[in-house]
Amino acid sequence: GNSVTQMEGPVTLSEEAFLTINCTYTATGYPSLFWYVQYPGEGLQLLLKATKADDKGSNKGFEATYRKETTSFHLEKGSVQVSDSAVYFCALCRIQGAQKLVFGQGTRLTINP
Amino acid sequence: DADVTQTPRNRITKTGKRIMLECSQTKGHDRMYWYRQDPGLGLRLIYYSFDVKDINKGEISDGYSVSRQAQAKFSLSLESAIPNQTALYFCATSDLGGTGNYNEQFFGPGTRLTVL
Repeated sequence: GNSVTQMEGPVTLSEEAFLTINCTYTATGYPSLFWYVQYPGEGLQLLLKATKADDKGSNKGFEATYRKETTSFHLEKGSVQVSDSAVYFCALCRIQGAQKLVFGQGTRLTINP
Repeated sequence: DADVTQTPRNRITKTGKRIMLECSQTKGHDRMYWYRQDPGLGLRLIYYSFDVKDINKGEISDGYSVSRQAQAKFSLSLESAIPNQTALYFCATSDLGGTGNYNEQFFGPGTRLTVL
């Protein structure tokens, strides 16, 4: 079956540090890949997506590249801010059919000033 | 106003009680979903609906039921709540969209349910 594995959290960084949150997946066929972000007290929001191998999704300074050979979709940001503190979820879905999202376990990120 | 609303936002109940969580959306989307979030497990799909007459089970539907009263409303019920149903519950919606495109899911703010 389809599954997503994220790096264990929580992750604590200082402002302006470089961020990487690892994500690997197992899936049949060619899923689309996503990063969702959950700010405190809110629902999830789509941060970025990639729909095929070698695609790079980007938004708000965050980037992730769809690596089919390593089945990975690692999230990166060059210089984090306090406002980036949130829980980040990696997810996949098959575009065909029901488009059910399969989520990783989430990684809590805290940025200290 | 929020596009996807959930009521209540917080609920504490006792084992054996019947509970209904409600979700409403003003986005005009056809598809609606219910997920639960547990620490260390991410979000898991409980039920989803593609229109009023189309209800489907997700990966963890046991102990839950749903009702799609209208295009804009999708309710989740726990007929007899048990403590391991303590979790954060999210509703989401998406458009039907075109073939071959991902239709972004938009999430409500969540309902925190505690079963004692």
